[in-house]
Amino acid sequence: GDKVKQSPSALSLQEGTNSALRCNFSIAATTVQWFLQNPRGSLMNLFYLVPGTKENGRLKSAFDSKESYSTLHIRDAQLEDSGTYFCAAEADNMGYKLTFGTGTSLLVDP
Amino acid sequence: DAGVTQTPRHEVAEKGQTIILKCEPVSGHNDLFWYRQTKIQGLELLSYFRSKSLMEDGGAFKDRFKAEMLNSSFSTLKIQPTEPKDSAVYLCASSPGSSNERLFFGHGTKLSVL
Repeated sequence: GDKVKQSPSALSLQEGTNSALRCNFSIAATTVQWFLQNPRGSLMNLFYLVPGTKENGRLKSAFDSKESYSTLHIRDAQLEDSGTYFCAAEADNMGYKLTFGTGTSLLVDP
Repeated sequence: DAGVTQTPRHEVAEKGQTIILKCEPVSGHNDLFWYRQTKIQGLELLSYFRSKSLMEDGGAFKDRFKAEMLNSSFSTLKIQPTEPKDSAVYLCASSPGSSNERLFFGHGTKLSVL
């Protein structure tokens, strides 16, 4: 089965609203990264997390290694937030290898 | 721009050709990765270098895919011979390494094999 399961797979938001994306892990994740792939294909690193939370502008992410999940909260969604969000986990027994989720496709409408 | 640089942005090849994709990692990063991205398979790791040494050579991708890192600031991915199923976006990424694996990606090379 999927080692990193992302939900939802697709999401449509009105500009100005809030939402949360989630990743559940069936591996012993030690660090988590969140990426945004924009419509042109560029992958941008949003967060690199050890267990805990981080905030950057309208984005906030949390990683709970004991409960094996991570969340990405988007506040006051803007048109430029549209794209595909990927989470990726590093696990102790997999060394450097990141296991990627299948992504959440987000569309922000005006 | 001091990010990861990949060339070319697009490549069109005939079946059976040899193509070479290029990558320059972020200056000072020790780890370099090559990934392939398709809609069906998502992101797949092809190769991984740590301090220029090949640590992962991609398992199922070994036979026609060869990544090299001749110096700390340049890597190539050769596909020989190309097949239509190789059509994908090839992404290079680098990270500082040494317990900081925060990954930075290049813009990718979109390969179409006819």
